[in-house]
Amino acid sequence: ETGVTQTPRHLVMGMTNKKSLKCEQHLGHNAMYWYKQSAKKPLELMFVYSLEERVENNSVPSRFSPECPNSSHLFLHLHTLQPEDSALYLCASSQGGKGGLSYNEQFFGPGTRLTVL
Amino acid sequence: GEDVEQSLFLSVREGDSSVINCTYTDSSSTYLYWYKQEPGAGLQLLTYIFSNMDMKQDQRLTVLLNKKDKHLSLRIADTQTGDSAIYFCAEERTGGFKTIFGAGTRLFVKA
Repeated sequence: ETGVTQTPRHLVMGMTNKKSLKCEQHLGHNAMYWYKQSAKKPLELMFVYSLEERVENNSVPSRFSPECPNSSHLFLHLHTLQPEDSALYLCASSQGGKGGLSYNEQFFGPGTRLTVL
Repeated sequence: GEDVEQSLFLSVREGDSSVINCTYTDSSSTYLYWYKQEPGAGLQLLTYIFSNMDMKQDQRLTVLLNKKDKHLSLRIADTQTGDSAIYFCAEERTGGFKTIFGAGTRLFVKA
């Protein structure tokens, strides 16, 4: 148990559906992240929030929409996804505040396995 | 290139040493990390090394850093079946919130 929880653990959706992934951290961290994990590809950083402000957005398609209502919760809203969006979506948190820290250990949740039909 | 590179698979026999290699991209990266991902779980930090060090040892784990070649390795001594997992190499670039991960090396340990 890393202190980062994600729901749901598995999600199957059609291309016209709208769904949301939820992440919650119980570690008192200031930064939260969404990553996409696909087989044989580098772990892909999607979004970073620090103190509830988005600080990184790595050219992610607009069909993925993040929301960070407070420092403990992070959402990823999904709409009109494509089959190639099927992957494991990982949430992480770290201590880092504004500007980040050089040492930045991240604590990961177990992920949501997303399948887009 | 922009990617942290590591081989995708490694198979060893139980009791042997495992060596997982990685090349990173930014010579100014401050910290280099090894994360472990067990089946059905997220990544968990295994060990790390600061960029001004050449080597770090932690029980069965030895990390070697060659800054000139931007090469990082993780050696696991006396590999056990419980070490079967995916191992991710990552570099911490300057500027904050710029941890770049590789694709992970899947380690298979044969009994």
